Amino acid sequence: AQTIHQWPVAEIKAVGSPLSLGCTIKGKSSPNLYWYWQATGGTLQQLFYSITVGQVESVVQLNLSASRPKDDQFILSTEKLLLSHSGFYLCAWIDNSQNTLYFGAGTRLSVL
Amino acid sequence: QQQVRQSPQSLTVWEGETAILNCSYEDSTFDYFPWYHQFPGESPALLIAIRPVSNKKEDGRFTIFFNKREKKFSLHIADSQPGDSATYFCAARNYNVLYFGSGTKLTVEP
Repeated sequence: AQTIHQWPVAEIKAVGSPLSLGCTIKGKSSPNLYWYWQATGGTLQQLFYSITVGQVESVVQLNLSASRPKDDQFILSTEKLLLSHSGFYLCAWIDNSQNTLYFGAGTRLSVL
Repeated sequence: QQQVRQSPQSLTVWEGETAILNCSYEDSTFDYFPWYHQFPGESPALLIAIRPVSNKKEDGRFTIFFNKREKKFSLHIADSQPGDSATYFCAARNYNVLYFGSGTKLTVEP
């Protein structure tokens, strides 16, 4: 069975500080991976997707970057946090056989 | 420009009633239309999905009605239960991007 793990579970960071969020998927070879962001009480917005190691496509510009250093790992980062970066960050993978997007448990980020 | 429009923003029904949530889209290249629900503090989870080759998809108490000509689709929750209370998001996919609607907060009163 596939499992997706996100870290950390929650972060409280200062404006202007750097950020790195991680996501690891186990039990799935060469998954398509995705990053989503959800403002408190808001909808989900896709940030990035990656279909293979080393390749990342940006969907929206939010002063964030993403990398895929390993087949099972997806990293979201920025060098300088803004207040507007606060929210719920979700990593997801797609099961192509079922056409289903599965989300990780997410990371709650508060930027103060 | 919002790719997927969702209404109503909030909906309250009595237990046993049918809840109807609506979505519309503009981009005719969308090829997959899922509905997700999300409970407070949790991640979204897939409820049911449909492809444009079908106009109806049922799974237990949940039914999607899809109108390709009008670019509209809706989720019907029959015999609503208090445990169905959650926020529901419709979505539409274009290649590797999934666009979500703004969400409907459903409350089922006992």
